[in-house]
Amino acid sequence: AQTVTQSQPEMSVQEAETVTLSCTYDTSESNYYLFWYKQPPSRQMILVIRQEAYKQQNATENRFSVNFQKAAKSFSLKISDSQLGDTAMYFCAFMNLLSGSARQLTFGSGTQLTVLP
Amino acid sequence: EAGVAQSPRYKIIEKRQSVAFWCNPISGHATLYWYQQILGQGPKLLIQFQNNGVVDDSQLPKDRFSAERLKGVDSTLKIQPAKLEDSAVYLCASSLESAGTYGYTFGSGTRLTVV
Repeated sequence: AQTVTQSQPEMSVQEAETVTLSCTYDTSESNYYLFWYKQPPSRQMILVIRQEAYKQQNATENRFSVNFQKAAKSFSLKISDSQLGDTAMYFCAFMNLLSGSARQLTFGSGTQLTVLP
Repeated sequence: EAGVAQSPRYKIIEKRQSVAFWCNPISGHATLYWYQQILGQGPKLLIQFQNNGVVDDSQLPKDRFSAERLKGVDSTLKIQPAKLEDSAVYLCASSLESAGTYGYTFGSGTRLTVV
């Protein structure tokens, strides 16, 4: 079974600054996807960014980028130029691509990010 | 496109009562998921449907939880009888392709409080 660990329950950052959220995972598989989701107080989970394990290049989406270290099983999220609207709970998630297995997201426990004005 | 619709948004019941949640996924999305999110934790998968068939319900407490997906579209999750530990947010999600590798689209969830 896969596990996802987020060791920072809470973080804060000043508006316009950069912040990095940590995530580690445990798997014996080599083919998988990793995701970061954002959950604002509205409760709706919003996909922020995804990374395919077989791609060495780190994914980027505007102000959001990841540092994917496959050997270390680490997948951190960097948010640049933080905005007040980035305040939310952030979840790291893992999806195994093992043939024949159901494709499911396994989530970490989340990091509450607060952007301070 | 319209998002994943869930209702009700909030529900408060007494323990041992029954409750049902409804989910309408994005049109054309074949795969539907129900997740349970206890306060302070990440979502945990309860059940996964592919069209109207169950792909995985290994983490569904079948003695009290049941779910169905009629005609491969809408889905209902039921709890009977409810326990205090069932207090959580119940999230429904859907994905266009069976692999879900482009991520899921989630609804806003139903917050259940059992007193």
